[in-house]
Amino acid sequence: DAGVIQSPRHEVTEMGQEVTLRCKPISGHNSLFWYRQTMMRGLELLIYFNNNVPIDDSGMPEDRFSAKMPNASFSTLKIQPSEPRDSAVYFCASSLILTGQNTGELFFGEGSRLTVL
Amino acid sequence: EDKVVQSPLSLVVHEGDTVTLNCSYEVTNFRSLLWYKQEKKAPTFLFMLTSSGIEKKSGRLSSILDKKELFSILNITATQTGDSAVYLCAVNVTPSNTGKLIFGQGTTLQVKP
Repeated sequence: DAGVIQSPRHEVTEMGQEVTLRCKPISGHNSLFWYRQTMMRGLELLIYFNNNVPIDDSGMPEDRFSAKMPNASFSTLKIQPSEPRDSAVYFCASSLILTGQNTGELFFGEGSRLTVL
Repeated sequence: EDKVVQSPLSLVVHEGDTVTLNCSYEVTNFRSLLWYKQEKKAPTFLFMLTSSGIEKKSGRLSSILDKKELFSILNITATQTGDSAVYLCAVNVTPSNTGKLIFGQGTTLQVKP
């Protein structure tokens, strides 16, 4: 069974360019999470979706960041324009959340390492 | 603001040693506490704890939660080089069962041969 699939695995871009990160969650999961990981701040939740609907985007740093989930099997995180301080590893994770039952276990993708020059 | 703090931030031990990793939290809506192990890539799930005083165990790893004092520990006995990783503690902070996790900074463990 395929896990969470992210692309690209690595991206190097120049400041000001648009960056789009992609995620395919595990089939059957109903919740999707975007996290950013840096040495300084650790793993930070950016946004999460439940049944394709954004539930909490309070972690999105600013208007340059946007995320969509057009269907249950695909999500994007876009940064436009990108800045050097956006350099980080971006993880997508998915989970199956059932009413009254929540293991809290997230299944992470392998991450997209972004470097903005 | 919800906060999860881990200590130590890094640790170097030799094979065979026993280590204890700490995680304390201050959150408004505690639901569960989770431990993850992160090697080079994605974090992988170790344990979920919801009740105080009940130890979860998996091989040489064990964990326990104290909801009164707001902390958890992760123990690794007879450490091996393969235990070298970043260990992440996270708290599920929502009562609405949507799985939102707040992570600590992580403890980097290096086990030397």
